[in-house]
Amino acid sequence: GAGVSQSPRYKVAKRGQDVALRCDPISGHVSLFWYQQALGQGPEFLTYFQNEAQLDKSGLPSDRFFAERPEGSVSTLKIQRTQQEDSAVYLCASSFATGGNTIYFGEGSWLTVV
Amino acid sequence: EDQVTQSPEALRLQEGESSSLNCSYTVSGLRGLFWYRQDPGKGPEFLFTLYSAGEEKEKERLKATLTKKESFLHITAPKPEDSATYLCAVSRGGRSNDYKLSFGAGTTVTVRA
Repeated sequence: GAGVSQSPRYKVAKRGQDVALRCDPISGHVSLFWYQQALGQGPEFLTYFQNEAQLDKSGLPSDRFFAERPEGSVSTLKIQRTQQEDSAVYLCASSFATGGNTIYFGEGSWLTVV
Repeated sequence: EDQVTQSPEALRLQEGESSSLNCSYTVSGLRGLFWYRQDPGKGPEFLFTLYSAGEEKEKERLKATLTKKESFLHITAPKPEDSATYLCAVSRGGRSNDYKLSFGAGTTVTVRA
């Protein structure tokens, strides 16, 4: 596609519910990233994939967060047993490679946990 | 730990009133400094990448510059459509780290007609 596509754009979850957020990166982009953005703050790194390999998951806040990219294209960020502090915008981004290559972001998935 | 500090937090300008945004950074071996624009409810939109001190890049009314400790985003004769939050981010040098962006909190610019 022309850009990074994310779905759903908006999600309201009840506390304790599991959610899955989908990211479709730019075609041909090897690198895929997930970031979390709280209101009024800059994005914070969560995890990084190179093709299907998850090379860095150091930013995932807890073991309730899980990301996968099984075929090296579409990625899913899953949050189990959601809590109110998980409310944020989850941004997916992709780049052709790394090493200073431009990273392009999607529109984000807005998660509200009630 | 990499640190990126942006100032001011908010900037209100009259149309045509030029100004500058500051991004101060502390990083072990800068690989690249990135500027993004973010509109409300949207994802960050890439503007510039700067790699070394002294480098400058321009796009329409925006010009980004880089020194060893900070970067400036100059907005010349802004228009209302330049209203947005401007985010600065850095990546660290070294193959094991150069993919990760550390962002500042952003400067929200409002341009009044």
